[in-house]
Amino acid sequence: SDELTQDPAVSVALGQTVRITCQGDSLIYHFASWFQQKPGQAPLLILYDKTDRPSGIPDRFSGSRSGNTASLTITGAQEEDEADYYCGSRDTSDNHAIFGGGTRLTVL
Amino acid sequence: QVQLQESGPGLVKPAETLSLTCNVSGGAISNYYWSWIRQTPGKGLEWIGYIYNGGSTLYNPSLKSRLTLSVDPSKNQLSLRLTSVTAADSAFYYCARDRLPHLLFYAFDVWGHGTLVTVSS
Repeated sequence: SDELTQDPAVSVALGQTVRITCQGDSLIYHFASWFQQKPGQAPLLILYDKTDRPSGIPDRFSGSRSGNTASLTITGAQEEDEADYYCGSRDTSDNHAIFGGGTRLTVL
Repeated sequence: QVQLQESGPGLVKPAETLSLTCNVSGGAISNYYWSWIRQTPGKGLEWIGYIYNGGSTLYNPSLKSRLTLSVDPSKNQLSLRLTSVTAADSAFYYCARDRLPHLLFYAFDVWGHGTLVTVSS
């Protein structure tokens, strides 16, 4: 079955731009969804269909895709963006959902 | 505004059956894809399966032989049943809703707070 690979940890200076990537062959055929999770909280959907944001999600969060890699970009990272970020998609063979292992973002 | 609330036993003995419920309030349960997702403390997310309109299900292949998802529309309640549990099934269990009715995107826009299940004798 398909897998999604994320870097375990990424850091960014306050106010700078950071890109979090998610790699997997399923992303060639399916868009990624991105979830933000803070300690003690349930995940929060922040991006879907590659570039769309749910209501209330700041526009500093954006998405893109190139080949088998989806990216989440935070332009002007804020302290409150420090969290774990997970990508999600679907398996190409039997359509079940898959998640990346998550990236812990530290805002310095 | 749709809200989800998971509930369950908290502690389950090895080899027994785990049963969880998810109460849906503030919206209809029909016509949406409802997923269960779990997370071992400090680890990543694992999709368990979905149920749609009470009858259509898809399960994670790794859990398929032990898993049953069901829905009770009269109670606006989802249920998960996982048999023969082991310590590896210890996790936070979440129920979550896909973003749009009738469509499967795995873009979960509503989540419950999660319920912690520990498998131990």
